[in-house]
Amino acid sequence: EIVVTQSPGTLSLSPGERATLSCRASQSVPSNSLAWYQQIPGQAPRLLIYGASSRATGIPDRFSGSGSGTDFTLTISRLEPEDFAVYYCQQYGTSVSTFGQGTKLEIK
Amino acid sequence: QVQLQESGPGLVKPSQTLSLTCTVSGASIDSSGNSWTWVRQHPGKGLDWIGYITYSGRTDHTPSLRGRVAISVDTSKNQFSLKLTSVTAADTAVYYCVATTFRLGEMSVYWGQGTLVTVSS
Repeated sequence: EIVVTQSPGTLSLSPGERATLSCRASQSVPSNSLAWYQQIPGQAPRLLIYGASSRATGIPDRFSGSGSGTDFTLTISRLEPEDFAVYYCQQYGTSVSTFGQGTKLEIK
Repeated sequence: QVQLQESGPGLVKPSQTLSLTCTVSGASIDSSGNSWTWVRQHPGKGLDWIGYITYSGRTDHTPSLRGRVAISVDTSKNQFSLKLTSVTAADTAVYYCVATTFRLGEMSVYWGQGTLVTVSS
């Protein structure tokens, strides 16, 4: 089973700033099958990025994903108030998929 | 638009079996390339992947629940289901059903609203 670790646990930033979230896998993720989700409290998660760098339908272009192998990054170029939420990465390259533990993006 | 709705008891007694069903609309359970997944979230915690199934019956589960979990598909009702046996308080969580579809090279993921299942006597 691939273990996925996210950092930092909490990120405190202000609207307009740039956010960089990290996701590291314990072994190479096949085909860079890595997704990012946003979860607002009380709601189901929403897919932001799949295949490490492809934006899902309807996702603003301030969200971008990069990386390959074991190291992946989600970047939010200019934070909007609605971006403050919890973000999860998920590897789905193996038969058993796994989520990271999440990064909470909070307003500074 | 694909929509999913979980249904099942909100309260299950310890040692009993948790059974949930996900009704799918807007997509066909027996379409190739799609997968049907269960995810849970303990109160105030992160997302835990439980397992998945495809229409052809290919399935897998997280090792931590292997032996207690079964996921099945009912193509006649366009539903898929989760059964978790011998539950304890540690199985109290919000359970989500999730659909992953691929169309023209694009991946889409749809989530149900989630249903809280409490394990308590």
